[in-house]
Amino acid sequence: DQQVKQNSPSLSVQEGRISILNCDYTNSMFDYFLWYKKYPAEGPTFLISISSIKDKNEDGRFTVFLNKSAKHLSLHIVPSQPGDSAVYFCAASLGGSNYKLTFGKGTLLTVNP
Amino acid sequence: DVKVTQSSRYLVKRTGEKVFLECVQDMDHENMFWYRQDPGLGLRLIYFSYDVKMKEKGDIPEGYSVSREKKERFSLILESASTNQTSMYLCASSFMGGYTFGSGTRLTVV
Repeated sequence: DQQVKQNSPSLSVQEGRISILNCDYTNSMFDYFLWYKKYPAEGPTFLISISSIKDKNEDGRFTVFLNKSAKHLSLHIVPSQPGDSAVYFCAASLGGSNYKLTFGKGTLLTVNP
Repeated sequence: DVKVTQSSRYLVKRTGEKVFLECVQDMDHENMFWYRQDPGLGLRLIYFSYDVKMKEKGDIPEGYSVSREKKERFSLILESASTNQTSMYLCASSFMGGYTFGSGTRLTVV
């Protein structure tokens, strides 16, 4: 049973436009959500997170939105840059940022120059 | 910055071999994790540990074991490697600030 779902395996956008990556979850007990970015042959790197008590968190070009009633979160990247091309993983936790994480399958973002 | 070091970037082993994947972190983190990443499946948790000599099974522990004799080191053991264990293995540690991942070990079992 997949508790964290990223239904789009890939996304392609033009440089300078907005990238929107989506994530759905089924376990209403998740209380912390994170986005990780991964380049080939490297470990994932932390991008941004959000606690379930918030509905938005912003860090530079990256914004995460959380809709608890819909069990949905999204990552917005504005403006998109070619260096943003990577696999993005959504993750959820039951006990904060350092508890075990449940990951989605990832979305490959390609930003075209 | 926290550093998580995985001993090998690439490894090729034969079916039936016992394989050790080593992971060391340098920030005295309590929590350490082993994940594997496969195309189309994302990251799946194999084992984790919240303290020395403590271990808990993740979502896919079959065929694996772990060892945590010292706080900074968390080893993943493939008791008898099989071809379906060919994968990218990722170690992570965490404390209050979230996860830090190592660079990964690409294991191929032939």
